Amino acid sequence: GNSVTQMEGPVTLSEEAFLTINCTYTATGYPSLFWYVQYPGEGLQLLLKATKADDKGSNKGFEATYRKETTSFHLEKGSVQVSDSAVYFCALPQGAGGSYIPTFGRGTSLIVHP
Amino acid sequence: KAGVTQTPRYLIKTRGQQVTLSCSPISGHRSVSWYQQTPGQGLQFLFEYFSETQRNKGNFPGRFSGRQFSNSRSEMNVSTLELGDSALYLCASSNPVVGASYGYTFGSGTRLTVV
Repeated sequence: GNSVTQMEGPVTLSEEAFLTINCTYTATGYPSLFWYVQYPGEGLQLLLKATKADDKGSNKGFEATYRKETTSFHLEKGSVQVSDSAVYFCALPQGAGGSYIPTFGRGTSLIVHP
Repeated sequence: KAGVTQTPRYLIKTRGQQVTLSCSPISGHRSVSWYQQTPGQGLQFLFEYFSETQRNKGNFPGRFSGRQFSNSRSEMNVSTLELGDSALYLCASSNPVVGASYGYTFGSGTRLTVV
């Protein structure tokens, strides 16, 4: 079935540093790809998505490009802030026939220091 | 509009007891999914309900069950609690259309501690 693999964390950065969190996927066809973020004490929030190859999803300064050649969907941000400290999850749907369930990576913890 | 509401936020139960968690999805969302999140196993899918029917099920023992009501609210029940059931239980709602490009909206979760 479909699956995603994320880089292990934690990723520790100073404020204003460049962020990359790697995500690669294994899938049948070209499913939509998602990044979710979980802030401390909260549930997951959809951060961005891309629905087809070469699409770029973006939100709150974060970007990710759907690359079918490398089966990747890496999350990037040019200048992180302390408030970006959270756990980030890469996800893709699993299923068929109109019924799809997101399958999540293990999550990557990001810690940003002032 | 109101988000996904999970109650209670925190729960402490004794091993062997049972527990019921509640989830109210976003108005108009007919699909409700449940996940268990632990530091060791990450996010694991429990089950999904759509129009009061369980449509998908993860790999959990029969002690974990759920249901969905006609107003799309959902409950999950865990019977004969074990220490390993201590986790954050997350509910997510969606309004799926044909295809898989939709996202899910999660609640803040119920933190269950089994002692």
